[in-house]
Amino acid sequence: IVMTQSPGTLSLSPGERATLSCRASQSVSSNYLAWYQQRPGLAPRLLIYGASIRATGIPDRFSGSGSGTDFTLTISRLEPDDFAVYYCQQYGRSPLTFGGGTKVEIK
Amino acid sequence: QVQLVQSGAEVKKPGASVKVSCKASGYTFTDYYIHWVRQAPGQGLEWLGWINPKNGGTNYAQKFQGRVTMTRDTSISTAYMELTSLTSDDAAFYYCAKGTGTPDHWGLGTLVTVSS
Repeated sequence: IVMTQSPGTLSLSPGERATLSCRASQSVSSNYLAWYQQRPGLAPRLLIYGASIRATGIPDRFSGSGSGTDFTLTISRLEPDDFAVYYCQQYGRSPLTFGGGTKVEIK
Repeated sequence: QVQLVQSGAEVKKPGASVKVSCKASGYTFTDYYIHWVRQAPGQGLEWLGWINPKNGGTNYAQKFQGRVTMTRDTSISTAYMELTSLTSDDAAFYYCAKGTGTPDHWGLGTLVTVSS
C-alpha cells in the first residue's frame, strides 16, 4: 500500500493549527494507521495509532482522524517542540509502509 | 522503562554483511515483536520486517527477502538483524522498534556506512 502525505512542507507560527494529510492507495484495514513525529537527530516517536488513539504520554493537542484511505493529523496549537517531520504509516497489511513525511517548519 | 539499546556504528565494504543487535529491557521481551526500519540520511522510513521473539517467526519485506535475516536470543533479550551483499544504497540508520502491530518504542539507531 502506497502512502502519500501532503503537503511536503508546512510553514506555520507557534500557536497556529497544523493539518497534515495522508492518503493510502488502498483502504487501510481496521484503520491500522499510525502517525510518528521525528525531530532532527532522533528516532521516530509514536503519536497516534488506530487512526485516532493517542499513544501514552502524547498531549491532547495532537489528534488523528479519518478512515479507509484518507487520514488527518491535527496539531491544535503548535509549540516549539512540535516543529519536526511527521510520518504516517499503515500496519494493516504487510509490508508496513510509510508516507514520505511532512515537515512542519517555523514560518 | 522500555529501552532498546542498539550496537554501535559500522563501516562495511560493498558486498560485505552487517549484523546489528538490539538489547531490550523494561518489558517482557517475548510479548512484543521487534521491527527493523531503516532511514537513509535525509530520507524517509523503510520497513525491513519483524521477528516474533516468542517463537522466532519472521516476516520480511519482499524487497529484502534473501538478503535479510532476523534472529533473537531470548536468554539475553536481544534481537539481531543481518543484511548481506551490501551496496551504497544500504547506507542508512537502522532502527529496531518494539510493537505488535505498529512499532511503539524505538532504539536510537545504528549507522551503517558502506564504502570501499
